[in-house]
Amino acid sequence: ILNVEQSPQSLHVQEGDSTNFTCSFPSSNFYALHWYRWETAKSPEALFVMTLNGDEKKKGRISATLNTKEGYSYLYIKGSQPEDSATYLCAYALNRDDKIIFGKGTRLHILP
Amino acid sequence: GAVVSQHPSRVICKSGTSVKIECRSLDFQATTMFWYRQFPKQSLMLMATSNEGSKATYEQGVEKDKFLINHASLTLSTLTVTSAHPEDSSFYICSAIFFGGGNQPQHFGDGTRLSIL
Repeated sequence: ILNVEQSPQSLHVQEGDSTNFTCSFPSSNFYALHWYRWETAKSPEALFVMTLNGDEKKKGRISATLNTKEGYSYLYIKGSQPEDSATYLCAYALNRDDKIIFGKGTRLHILP
Repeated sequence: GAVVSQHPSRVICKSGTSVKIECRSLDFQATTMFWYRQFPKQSLMLMATSNEGSKATYEQGVEKDKFLINHASLTLSTLTVTSAHPEDSSFYICSAIFFGGGNQPQHFGDGTRLSIL
């Protein structure tokens, strides 16, 4: 059974602080790693799709890194803002097929 | 960006009713659509992969006669929960991609909260 683990499950961060969380996935048969942001009452929004070991991607204050050899990805948020409050999902694609396997997400709460 | 519309957003109905959920890609042709189900505090679980003009591929443990999927065009896929029972109550969400491959971001609908009384 392929397992995608995200930690922590929930996180409270003071506004202005930086934070990061982890996604662990099987390192064998890796094809791609996705990150999504899911705000309450909205649809999940794609942040990044990474495919190469050592990939680093950035979108504004959010960035992500990828280590396919050891099977983990970090998502970083710099200078957290209230609008960053959301659930962050990662998902793993093990081959060229379309389907991806999701973790349970990290629920991020930004405290004013 | 790519927009996916899912309707209805919420359904409350009696046991035994069949419920149809629509998933439309509004500004692109979706070669593949996915249907997920989410239980409380669990991850999005893939139910089936739907390609236009062909039969859906169901994940292990998902009853194809219970969850009927039709993908008649490149912009519309439907999920019908037949003879729904309380245990079918859940959050259902669809996604679509423009072109195949696990390296393509998925574009999600807003989801449907199904409650069977």
